[in-house]
Formats: sequence, structure tokens, C-alpha cells
Amino acid sequence: AQSVTQPDIHITVSEGASLELRCNYSYGATPYLFWYVQSPGQGLQLLLKYFSGDTLVQGIKGFEAEFKRSQSSFNLRKPSVHWSDAAEYFCAVGGISNTGKLIFGQGTTLQVKP
Amino acid sequence: DGGITQSPKYLFRKEGQNVTLSCEQNLNHDAMYWYRQDPGQGLRLIYYSQIVNDFQKGDIAEGYSVSREKKESFPLTVTSAQKNPTAFYLCASSTTDTSYEQYFGPGTRLTVT
Repeated sequence: AQSVTQPDIHITVSEGASLELRCNYSYGATPYLFWYVQSPGQGLQLLLKYFSGDTLVQGIKGFEAEFKRSQSSFNLRKPSVHWSDAAEYFCAVGGISNTGKLIFGQGTTLQVKP
Repeated sequence: DGGITQSPKYLFRKEGQNVTLSCEQNLNHDAMYWYRQDPGQGLRLIYYSQIVNDFQKGDIAEGYSVSREKKESFPLTVTSAQKNPTAFYLCASSTTDTSYEQYFGPGTRLTVT
């Protein structure tokens, strides 16, 4: 069965420090991969997506992610974190049975220290 | 502005009552989705619809019902059969091409006491 694992439930980084959020997936075919961000009490906003091609994808707000097929991973990175990046981040896998269904990870809450 | 609206933002109901959550989109998307979000559990798919007058159960459909009479609208009814209805409910929409990129509404927080 398809699944997404985000090993870190909660991460705290200092403002200006680099960030990496981990995501591992289980899916037999080539996956469509997404990272979403959610501020408290709000909906989800798409940060970036991978369908095919270049394995390093750029997103909004200075985020990037790298697809590594051999490791079944799609980690999210940012070189310098801003206080406004504090939020919950979700990794998702799609393209399941030619439907729009997404399977989400449990999420990682990012706290930014001043 | 194109987008997805969910109303109301907060909803309170007594146990045993059915309640309907609204979701409207003006993005001209064919597909719409309902998710439930609980702390520490990510998002779980309740129902989805890829075309008007058709919908499919997701992973946790028990105790919920939907309709899709119009392309723009996909209301979710939380019935009294849902054992733990208190949660944050998110609606999303997407095209039905290969992008599968979903756009989300702001959510409705339902509290049942």
C-alpha cells in the first residue's frame, strides 16, 4: 500500500539557519510528490511538486526539494529560515490509480527560534 | 479572485445532529475532495468526486455523505453515525489532467458536544 512517512514530528531551528525536512514514501510506480505548508487554523498551500525530469525542484518562498529514487525520499530544504516559516509541513504522494488522490504524511511542525 | 471557499469557519453542534459543511470553488476544476485533519494524523481522505453526479469513498467515509450536483459545489454532511466528528475539515479541488495539484480551502472546524 502507498504510504508517506515524515520521521520528524517537531523540529526547532534558529532564524537564519538551514532547514531540512525529511519525507520517505512507499509507492510502486513513479510517484508524483508534493510539499504543502499549513499555518495554524488555515488551509494548505502548495510549496513545490515533482512529476518527472530534474530531481531538484524549486518552489515558492525559497524552498527546494530533491527526489532520490534510490532512497524513496523527497526531502525539503531551505538555506536560511525566516521566522515566518514557522508552520506545519506536509509531504504527499499522488498519481495513485490515475485519480487525484493524495496520501499525506503526518506532518512536521517547524518552530523558529529568534 | 479564483479560489475555494468553505463556510462557516467554525461550527458547533450537539451530538446526534447531522451537519452540512459547505465547499464552493470557482476554479473550474472537475475534481473535488474532502479531508479530515486531526492532530498528529495528517490529512485523511473522506470522499472525492472527479465529475458531476459521481463520487467515491475515500479512506474514512463511514458516517459521512456527499453530493455533487454542480461542478462548483461539493457539500459534506457529517451524520450522527460518525463516532468522532470533532475535527478540522478541509476541502480541495484539482483538474483531472496529470498534474493532480490540489488547491485547498481555508477549512471548517467542527466541534460536536
